[in-house]
Amino acid sequence: EAGVTQSPTHLIKTRGQQATLRCSPISGHTSVYWYQQALGLGLQFLLWYDEGEERNRGNFPPRFSGRQFPNYSSELNVNALELEDSALYLCASSLDYPDTQYFGPGTRLTVL
Amino acid sequence: QQQVKQSPQSLIVQKGGISIINCAYENTAFDYFPWYQQFPGKGPALLIAIRPDVSEKKEGRFTISFNKSAKQFSLHIMDSQPGDSATYFCAARMEYGNKLVFGAGTILRVKS
Repeated sequence: EAGVTQSPTHLIKTRGQQATLRCSPISGHTSVYWYQQALGLGLQFLLWYDEGEERNRGNFPPRFSGRQFPNYSSELNVNALELEDSALYLCASSLDYPDTQYFGPGTRLTVL
Repeated sequence: QQQVKQSPQSLIVQKGGISIINCAYENTAFDYFPWYQQFPGKGPALLIAIRPDVSEKKEGRFTISFNKSAKQFSLHIMDSQPGDSATYFCAARMEYGNKLVFGAGTILRVKS
């Protein structure tokens, strides 16, 4: 069974640009989560989507947004990129709520 | 308070020894406590998890001990191997909102 997949693996953007990160959950999983792993800040919860709806949001500004598609895949959009947005962005999925969250390999976003 | 405090920050253990990582929390609204293992360049992988109504859970060489009254839980890795060298994160899931709150991580190095 394939795990959570994320694309792209690496993404380089300049300050002020927009970034779009994509995530495909494990087959059959309906919940998708996004976390940011920044150097020195650890893993921080960003967003939770379930059945196409945003269910919870972490302490991040509105320029971090996302959506979940009917096939349960998800994308994370970061607008007006700032240097401190440079981080590993991790997507996780779970079968249902509440259930164990399984993580993908992440997208490394670098903002220059 | 939604923090999870993890210690030590780093740990060096001889091959065959016991690795012990500790975590503490304050918020009683946590209902699930997973441990994740992360290798460089990879996403966190679920290692073992426990619910607060259980005091201990063992899976192979990995054991979680949970003390609900003290709000503490720990990971024990028996017969530590060089392949166990990785960063370990404890986490706690919020009962409402389904988000994982992570500890800061412990870098484990097992010397052969």
